[in-house]
Amino acid sequence: NAGVTQTPKFRILKIGQSMTLQCTQDMNHNYMYWYRQDPGMGLKLIYYSVGAGITDKGEVPNGYNVSRSTTEDFPLRLELAAPSQTSVYFCASSPTSSMNTEAFFGQGTRLTVV
Amino acid sequence: KQEVTQIPAALSVPEGENLVLNCSFTDSAIYNLQWFRQDPGKGLTSLLLIQSSQREQTSGRLNASLDKSSGRSTLYIAASQPGDSATYLCAVKSGGGADGLTFGKGTHLIIQP
Repeated sequence: NAGVTQTPKFRILKIGQSMTLQCTQDMNHNYMYWYRQDPGMGLKLIYYSVGAGITDKGEVPNGYNVSRSTTEDFPLRLELAAPSQTSVYFCASSPTSSMNTEAFFGQGTRLTVV
Repeated sequence: KQEVTQIPAALSVPEGENLVLNCSFTDSAIYNLQWFRQDPGKGLTSLLLIQSSQREQTSGRLNASLDKSSGRSTLYIAASQPGDSATYLCAVKSGGGADGLTFGKGTHLIIQP
């Protein structure tokens, strides 16, 4: 079972470069999320999506963009990388919004901006 | 705004001990609470999910309790093993829609052989 798959696992970017973090899930989940985790901190929500074509901002969306053209894929775009975006990025998905619905996480992408 | 706090930030205990990790949240109107395990350089693995209407959930040596009125949850680990060494994260879902989770900073647990 693949679950939530993120690529790449590691990336080093120069300031001002752009890149896309890929996320795909094979569980047919409607809800997908992007979080970032800074050292010693909890995860913070960047963007989320309730289904194909629908996205919304989370707590820390500045500097990022997302799209959701299919149920499976939810890429995160960094347009002008800044050192403050050095972090570990996690993609997550969940099937519906019910009390017993778990969130499933990918393995993370460790991004360094220099 | 929901805030989640985990105490202690770090804990080191000898193998075989029973231990308790604490999680508190500021807004008691939660939808559910989830405990995760995070290994270094890895993703998050869900351990237990407690619905807002439940008081506790058990899985093997793990037991999680929830007291919504006081804004607290505990994760009890029985007969700890070196393989339990990891960071444990508590996360709260505050709404019934697609709202994401609010995470604590985690408890870094080391079990000494």
